[in-house]
Amino acid sequence: TQLLEQSPQFLSIQEGENLTVYCNSSSVFSSLQWYRQEPGEGPVLLVTVVTGGEVKKLKRLTFQFGDARKDSSLHITAAQTGDTGLYLCAGVSRTGNQFYFGTGTSLTVIP
Amino acid sequence: EAQVTQNPRYLITVTGKKLTVTCSQNMNHEYMSWYRQDPGLGLRQIYYSMNVEVTDKGDVPEGYKVSRKEKRNFPLILESPSPNQTSLYFCASSGNPLGEQYFGPGTRLTVT
Repeated sequence: TQLLEQSPQFLSIQEGENLTVYCNSSSVFSSLQWYRQEPGEGPVLLVTVVTGGEVKKLKRLTFQFGDARKDSSLHITAAQTGDTGLYLCAGVSRTGNQFYFGTGTSLTVIP
Repeated sequence: EAQVTQNPRYLITVTGKKLTVTCSQNMNHEYMSWYRQDPGLGLRQIYYSMNVEVTDKGDVPEGYKVSRKEKRNFPLILESPSPNQTSLYFCASSGNPLGEQYFGPGTRLTVT
């Protein structure tokens, strides 16, 4: 059962452009995390959002948790080639004992 | 250095030959988990463990076994591997309550 759907699945943009990745679910999560994965490596945590409506900024990356704690978005401003990678959202179950990962968004930033 | 280690990194085997992928973490984390990653499906949880001697099924546990005899180790066992278990496998650990997961480098398994 895939509880979290990400869109788009693939994204190819020019350096300097802005983009938004969406992570949607019909389930409520206690918190939501975003990871980035480079080829040949394990995912690395970017941010955790906990409160419904919460917005967190990490330099050019802005993360938002939906008011109902069912969905999230990642916005990148002025993309750079170093942003290339696979972006994964992950929800922590309300029981606090399981992680559910999204389907992933593969981002390519072209110089 | 805080890390999760997995061995082997690459494995090619034949159908039915039992194998074990080891996972170890040095962060004293209670929570450990195994995932498989397949194109278009993201990461799917196989098994997880909240602490020593406590293990639970994730979303795709069929064909896999795990054990948690020590806090630092969480091996993944495939008793009779089949070709549909060809995948990239990740072990991860986290403190409790669940926070950041630290992932191992991955094990690429091919079953012929």
